[in-house]
Amino acid sequence: AQSVTQLDSHVSVSEGTPVLLRCNYSSSYSPSLFWYVQHPNKGLQLLLKYTSAATLVKGINGFEAEFKKSETSFHLTKPSAHMSDAAEYFCVVTLYSSASKIIFGSGTRLSIRP
Amino acid sequence: DVKVTQSSRYLVKRTGEKVFLECVQDMDHENMFWYRQDPGLGLRLIYFSYDVKMKEKGDIPEGYSVSREKKERFSLILESASTNQTSMYLCASRLTGAGYTFGSGTRLTVV
Repeated sequence: AQSVTQLDSHVSVSEGTPVLLRCNYSSSYSPSLFWYVQHPNKGLQLLLKYTSAATLVKGINGFEAEFKKSETSFHLTKPSAHMSDAAEYFCVVTLYSSASKIIFGSGTRLSIRP
Repeated sequence: DVKVTQSSRYLVKRTGEKVFLECVQDMDHENMFWYRQDPGLGLRLIYFSYDVKMKEKGDIPEGYSVSREKKERFSLILESASTNQTSMYLCASRLTGAGYTFGSGTRLTVV
């Protein structure tokens, strides 16, 4: 069975400090992994995706994530938070590259302190 | 850029009404999805479709139906709206093997 666990429901950091949003997954097969961001009153936007190429994936807006198979993790990081990063972030896993069904984590709300 | 357009941003409907939520994508994607998003529950899959006239139930299909008569359009239908269907509804499309593109969402309130 597949599952996605986002370890923190809420993360608060100061502007200019690093961001770490944690995600662990379980999958019997090689997964495809994604991070999405949702700003208030907006739809979901793809930040980055891992599909068995490079384990360090760079996304938009300075975000990146590292796939660690031994730890079954896909944590999202950013070196320096910006006020505009305040949003909700979802870690997502799909089983096969052709799968139609995806599993969303429960989401992590990121707050940025001035 | 792929665009997924949901016809309404906000809707208010009365209990018992039949409600149509429309979603159109412009990049010939085979797969389309309807999710609802509720605080504390995250995103839950209602229905998805992997081809014209094909549909599959998701995790919470009760009270909903869907229609996919054309590849670009995927409609979610609430046969008889109830207050527990008040939610944010998100449509998505996907090319097999690629990431998902989401619409901006429709916030439905049933009174």
